[in-house]
Amino acid sequence: AQKITQTQPGMFVQEKEAVTLDCTYDTSDQSYGLFWYKQPSSGEMIFLIYQGSYDEQNATEGRYSLNFQKARKSANLVISASQLGDSAMYFCAMREGRGTSYDKVIFGPGTSLSVIP
Amino acid sequence: DGGITQSPKYLFRKEGQNVTLSCEQNLNHDAMYWYRQDPGQGLRLIYYSQIVNDFQKGDIAEGYSVSREKKESFPLTVTSAQKNPTAFYLCASSPGQGLFFGSGTQLSVL
Repeated sequence: AQKITQTQPGMFVQEKEAVTLDCTYDTSDQSYGLFWYKQPSSGEMIFLIYQGSYDEQNATEGRYSLNFQKARKSANLVISASQLGDSAMYFCAMREGRGTSYDKVIFGPGTSLSVIP
Repeated sequence: DGGITQSPKYLFRKEGQNVTLSCEQNLNHDAMYWYRQDPGQGLRLIYYSQIVNDFQKGDIAEGYSVSREKKESFPLTVTSAQKNPTAFYLCASSPGQGLFFGSGTQLSVL
């Protein structure tokens, strides 16, 4: 069965510093996708970054990068140069399947990130 | 504008009552999803639908029901069998990779 683990319930980071949020996953499928979402206190879910299981390079989107280690089943999110607006809940998610619209998507328990001025 | 609309934003349920949460999308996405989020917790999958007139149970489907009669609409009914329905409910749609989320419905029990 699919499972997502985020072992850091809460994290603190100094403004302008980099931070890594951990995510490990469990799947028996060879084809899958990994996502990170940000949820501010407003409740909206904001897509940050995507990594496909067959992608050879780590995904990057602006200040966000995904450290993908397939053999370790790890997909950590790295936020560089933290900003006060980065304070939010962060969720790792996984889709199993062929990357079509026909797949189940599950989420991890989340990590609460607080950026300190 | 294209997007996903959830209504109402806040909903109250009396004991023994069924309530229906609306989710509409005009993004022409095939797949739609319903998640439940409890305070300080992650999102748990209730139901998902890949195509019209077809849907699958997620991890916590008991006490909930859905329908998918139109591509644009995926309403969720919280039945009286759901004994702890107070939560934030999020609907999403997908064209194949990422999920696009609505703004959510907060359901509370009176």
